Amino acid sequence: RKEVEQDPGPFNVPEGATVAFNCTYSNSASQSFFWYRQDCRKEPKLLMSVYSSGNEDGRFTAQLNRASQYISLLIRDSKLSDSATYLCVVNRDDKIIFGKGTRLHILP
Amino acid sequence: DTEVTQTPKHLVMGMTNKKSLKCEQHMGHRAMYWYKQKAKKPPELMFVYSYEKLSINESVPSRFSPECPNSSLLNLHLHALQPEDSALYLCASSSWASRGTGELFFGEGSRLTVL
Repeated sequence: RKEVEQDPGPFNVPEGATVAFNCTYSNSASQSFFWYRQDCRKEPKLLMSVYSSGNEDGRFTAQLNRASQYISLLIRDSKLSDSATYLCVVNRDDKIIFGKGTRLHILP
Repeated sequence: DTEVTQTPKHLVMGMTNKKSLKCEQHMGHRAMYWYKQKAKKPPELMFVYSYEKLSINESVPSRFSPECPNSSLLNLHLHALQPEDSALYLCASSSWASRGTGELFFGEGSRLTVL
């Protein structure tokens, strides 16, 4: 079992819809959690850190469930510019581990 | 614009060549990383430097040789590479130097093609 798992998608979602991704992690010693966004042929960029209390940044909401060992990302009122690959990232000890990413296509 | 600068952006080299990738950051970060990314795959960690010392080597072949001349610079020396080493090489830095973890700032990457 991979340490960080994501549904690769693609998720094809009409503009304006709400979309949610989950990511599961296998090691309960994982310490911190992030969502990164990567556009085609570009570098990954931090989207949000993820906390147990949940956090929201505009149309984006991230949640962490330590008991079930998953994190989620919710995007409301999706825009065409949200089309990208969303990478779940987990920190354990000195290692930062990337999931394979979920591809999102927002359709006009 | 990214605050981590990588050069060159593109590199084509033969299997007998020696070349280097360079990375520079001026954010005062004391942890720096090399990642390798193949198409449609996530970044794979290669090396981590904390306070200019190599702290993690993810069993990378010796044809890749990292170097951290100072706290702002990170190099990756390439020698006798194979075509399967063709990939996007990403440099990143982080402010959580004591653990080498946390929020990563990535450079735009160096796209390497080995012929």
